[in-house]
Amino acid sequence: DVKVTQSSRYLVKRTGEKVFLECVQDMDHENMFWYRQDPGLGLRLIYFSYDVKMKEKGDIPEGYSVSREKKERFSLILESASTNQTSMYLCASSLEQGAESPLHFGNGTRLTVT
Amino acid sequence: GEDVEQSLFLSVREGDSSVINCTYTDSSSTYLYWYKQEPGAGLQLLTYIFSNMDMKQDQRLTVLLNKKDKHLSLRIADTQTGDSAIYFCAEDNYGQNFVFGPGTRLSVLP
Repeated sequence: DVKVTQSSRYLVKRTGEKVFLECVQDMDHENMFWYRQDPGLGLRLIYFSYDVKMKEKGDIPEGYSVSREKKERFSLILESASTNQTSMYLCASSLEQGAESPLHFGNGTRLTVT
Repeated sequence: GEDVEQSLFLSVREGDSSVINCTYTDSSSTYLYWYKQEPGAGLQLLTYIFSNMDMKQDQRLTVLLNKKDKHLSLRIADTQTGDSAIYFCAEDNYGQNFVFGPGTRLSVLP
């Protein structure tokens, strides 16, 4: 079974702090994704990556950056956290493009910015 | 752009069948998915169907796809209280451009 592990289930940070959300997958998947989930807004794609050291902006990249130095790890960075970034963050991975490739999600990180 | 729609709420009695419906707009969808989300957790892949199939059965779950009408449904037989969750429909195009519906909150009444 695919395992996607997010390092923290709950995180509380102060406005202006730099925040790192870590995600690791153990199935040698090519693709990794970061979503945020908010009530009434559904899942929104922040950034994704189809290969090591590669990144693409999703629908709402403002205020975020990502890092993919190794295939199994995809980090989401909030350069200067703000209260409107309080949300549930979901990491996902999938095998590769052009193939039968469902998304597999981690358990999520609930981030509160005060 | 592509869109996926679902009704937001469904209530059923324990032991009955649940049917969750979904419509989508992208005619080039290759796979259609159902995910389950329990409170405070991530999305769990339940099942998925290739777009050239019209039905897939997996234990208590039956997926029906009407490609002409772009309609997908998930039937859960003998619904249990543990099935209470939010169910998301999603579609993609060969592993790209995943689009999710807003989710249907299923409540199972004793």
